[in-house]
Amino acid sequence: KAGVTQTPRYLIKTRGQQVTLSCSPISGHRSVSWYQQTPGQGLQFLFEYFSETQRNKGNFPGRFSGRQFSNSRSEMNVSTLELGDSALYLCASSSATRLSGELFFGEGSRLTVL
Amino acid sequence: GQNIDQPTEMTATEGAIVQINCTYQTSGFNGLFWYQQHAGEAPTFLSYNVLDGLEEKGRFSSFLSRSKGYSYLLLKELQMKDSASYLCAVRDDYKLSFGAGTTVTVRA
Repeated sequence: KAGVTQTPRYLIKTRGQQVTLSCSPISGHRSVSWYQQTPGQGLQFLFEYFSETQRNKGNFPGRFSGRQFSNSRSEMNVSTLELGDSALYLCASSSATRLSGELFFGEGSRLTVL
Repeated sequence: GQNIDQPTEMTATEGAIVQINCTYQTSGFNGLFWYQQHAGEAPTFLSYNVLDGLEEKGRFSSFLSRSKGYSYLLLKELQMKDSASYLCAVRDDYKLSFGAGTTVTVRA
């Protein structure tokens, strides 16, 4: 069974640009969550999607957005990039319909903003 | 909101035991997770506690006290491959929140 796949793995952008990251969950998983990981801050929750609907959202500015498609694949977008957006962005999927059960993480997309 | 605290770093010798503590304050509680993350890799699930007490899984054990807002992860018979970051995470009513992680270094 294939794991969570994230693309691209690495990318470099400049301030002001926008970026789209993609996540393919484990087959059959309908819940996809996104996290931002930076040194010292740990994993910060961005948002969670279930059956194409955003169920929950963390405390990030509106420049961070996402969506989920009918096949459960998800994308997140960051517009007007800032230096502080440099981070590892992790996607996690879960088979649970309610908020229970473990999350399965992808290896992340490492974004560097210059 | 969530406030999750765990030590930043710990060092131990191969074959020894290490205990990683985690304290939390939460507005709702639906379970506590421990994840392991090796450098450059994805976090992987280690354990889940929702009721008070000890959960044992091989060399790893996790303990929870909901009344004290406290958990620990116990790593026994440490091996070099256990060198990693260990993340404590608490689920409230709508999300899983993580601590900053504890980097464990195992020395020969």
